[in-house]
Amino acid sequence: DTGVSQDPRHKITKRGQNVTFRCDPISEHNRLYWYRQTLGQGPEFLTYFQNEAQLEKSRLLSDRFSAERPKGSFSTLEIQRTEQGDSAMYLCASSSRVAGTSTDTQYFGPGTRLTVL
Amino acid sequence: AQSVTQLDSQVPVFEEAPVELRCNYSSSVSVYLFWYVQYPNQGLQLLLKYLSGSTLVKGINGFEAEFNKSQTSFHLRKPSVHISDTAEYFCAVTRSGGYQKVTFGTGTKLQVIP
Repeated sequence: DTGVSQDPRHKITKRGQNVTFRCDPISEHNRLYWYRQTLGQGPEFLTYFQNEAQLEKSRLLSDRFSAERPKGSFSTLEIQRTEQGDSAMYLCASSSRVAGTSTDTQYFGPGTRLTVL
Repeated sequence: AQSVTQLDSQVPVFEEAPVELRCNYSSSVSVYLFWYVQYPNQGLQLLLKYLSGSTLVKGINGFEAEFNKSQTSFHLRKPSVHISDTAEYFCAVTRSGGYQKVTFGTGTKLQVIP
């Protein structure tokens, strides 16, 4: 399977606990993105990595959120002191720029559904 | 900044009937446009994309979309829908050129009625 994978697929936690999600991008993709999708809405951009460098963070990403991509391959998204408002689907996507073009198509993983009780 | 409007939150259609899902975008610069499909409890799957060239784009599962720059639209169409097309469809836009974050619409739920 050469698609984007995410783990876990579902996470239920109590308010105040910390959670960590993992994303494994398509192997040749150097760009990785995190999005959050709440019920009835489209995905909203959270952050973007090119290789191991985190190049952009949305203002949606509060101080309780941190993302890493230490070796430029997989990425983790950690949420500290979870709140009920953090309940959402967290989607990871990866892409790679095609040489000689400005094409950059993002391919999405299945998502991690977080429920904060 | 770019924005996307999907006016129809839900579209019911009978099986084997044609369907059009509407998408309008706003941007002051040139853009790339996408349609993604999301089945329940799954991630997004790319249906088709417009980067440049022909304004009629064909995608997977028999879907196609037409880019209309003057009307800033990118409507998705299928001549004959199947039950398996029941899903949520998201139109998305990104500024053209290198990396750009994707801005999604709020989605349209397509309900195919047998």
